[in-house]
Amino acid sequence: SQQGEEDPQALSIQEGENATMNCSYKTSINNLQWYRQNSGRGLVHLILIRSNEREKHSGRLRVTLDTSKKSSSLLITASRAADTASYFCATPFYISGSRLTFGEGTQLTVNP
Amino acid sequence: DTGVSQNPRHKITKRGQNVTFRCDPISEHNRLYWYRQTLGQGPEFLTYFQNEAQLEKSRLLSDRFSAERPKGSFSTLEIQRTEQGDSAMYLCASSKFSGSSYNEQFFGPGTRLTVL
Repeated sequence: SQQGEEDPQALSIQEGENATMNCSYKTSINNLQWYRQNSGRGLVHLILIRSNEREKHSGRLRVTLDTSKKSSSLLITASRAADTASYFCATPFYISGSRLTFGEGTQLTVNP
Repeated sequence: DTGVSQNPRHKITKRGQNVTFRCDPISEHNRLYWYRQTLGQGPEFLTYFQNEAQLEKSRLLSDRFSAERPKGSFSTLEIQRTEQGDSAMYLCASSKFSGSSYNEQFFGPGTRLTVL
């Protein structure tokens, strides 16, 4: 069964707008990761946030983690057409395990 | 290119045939993972290795599936007697495990399997 669930399933915005995607998970974790996948391609690692971190930034990406609510969000600021992709959150199958479980992803479309 | 590589990128086969995929991880990474992804879904874990030892297998890995990493470097995933339900993208990932429990995995481009 899948641990993470992304919301929304699909998001369409205009270039320059911000995009926010959410992820909820079920069990205790020590880290959460976000990945991007362009159509028909492999996954690109975006960011890892540890359970003792509340927020992390990487370029135009901002990730938050709320362990009390078992949720995370990914914010992409000033979006570009090249950001069009599916975005997945991934969590360890058990607290710190190597096996990652993924949600179904959010399909982001950025219109030029 | 020093990333994870996978071959072939695409494979079309007839039902009942055997297929084998190869994954070359990032050279200093000691862990290697296989995932399967069907259309519209996130990747699902199949198995992983630390060096040459296969440490965990998913229930998804039926007895028709076998994975090896004989010298702790590249890995192969073989599917015997393929079925149409095996059609999917097979993804390989690698990571460097050094005792920390934070496990950043880097993925290859995948092998897309189509079983006719």
